[in-house]
Amino acid sequence: DVKVTQSSRYLVKRTGEKVFLECVQDMDHENMFWYRQDPGLGLRLIYFSYDVKMKEKGDIPEGYSVSREKKERFSLILESASTNQTSMYLCASSLWIGGSNQPQHFGDGTRLSIL
Amino acid sequence: SQQGEEDPQALSIQEGENATMNCSYKTSINNLQWYRQNSGRGLVHLILIRSNEREKHSGRLRVTLDTSKKSSSLLITASRAADTASYFCATDATGANNLFFGTGTRLTVIP
Repeated sequence: DVKVTQSSRYLVKRTGEKVFLECVQDMDHENMFWYRQDPGLGLRLIYFSYDVKMKEKGDIPEGYSVSREKKERFSLILESASTNQTSMYLCASSLWIGGSNQPQHFGDGTRLSIL
Repeated sequence: SQQGEEDPQALSIQEGENATMNCSYKTSINNLQWYRQNSGRGLVHLILIRSNEREKHSGRLRVTLDTSKKSSSLLITASRAADTASYFCATDATGANNLFFGTGTRLTVIP
């Protein structure tokens, strides 16, 4: 089974801090994704990556950056944390086969609180 | 938005009853996927239906797809308390390189 591991289940940080959320997958998937999930808004894509050192902006990239130096690891960075970034953050990975998006495998999420 | 829209937003049923959730979307798709999320956890993939398929089964799950109406439904038969969760549809739009998730249906199965 694919395992997607997020470094923290719960995280509390202060406004203005630089925050790193780490995600590792063990199935050699090309694609990796970062979402945030807020009540009533569903999942919103922040960034995704389809290869090492490659990244694409999603729907809400402002205030975030990402890093993918190795295929198995995809990091989300909050450059200067703000209270409106308090949310549940979900990482996912998937294969890309024949021009279609295959099922995504999710980590258990990081519930981030910015005080 | 290319997001799928699930209907209803919330559904409460008795154990043993069937649960039906619907998803509508706006663009042409390669496939449509359904996911489940237990409270406080990540999403888990349930089933994928391709655009050229009309119905698919997996255990107690039945998914239908009507591309002319741009809609899909997820039926859970003989529901159990353990089916209590949020259910999301996700569309693989033609030409897109990521999935678009809906806002989900929260299902409560009462023992």
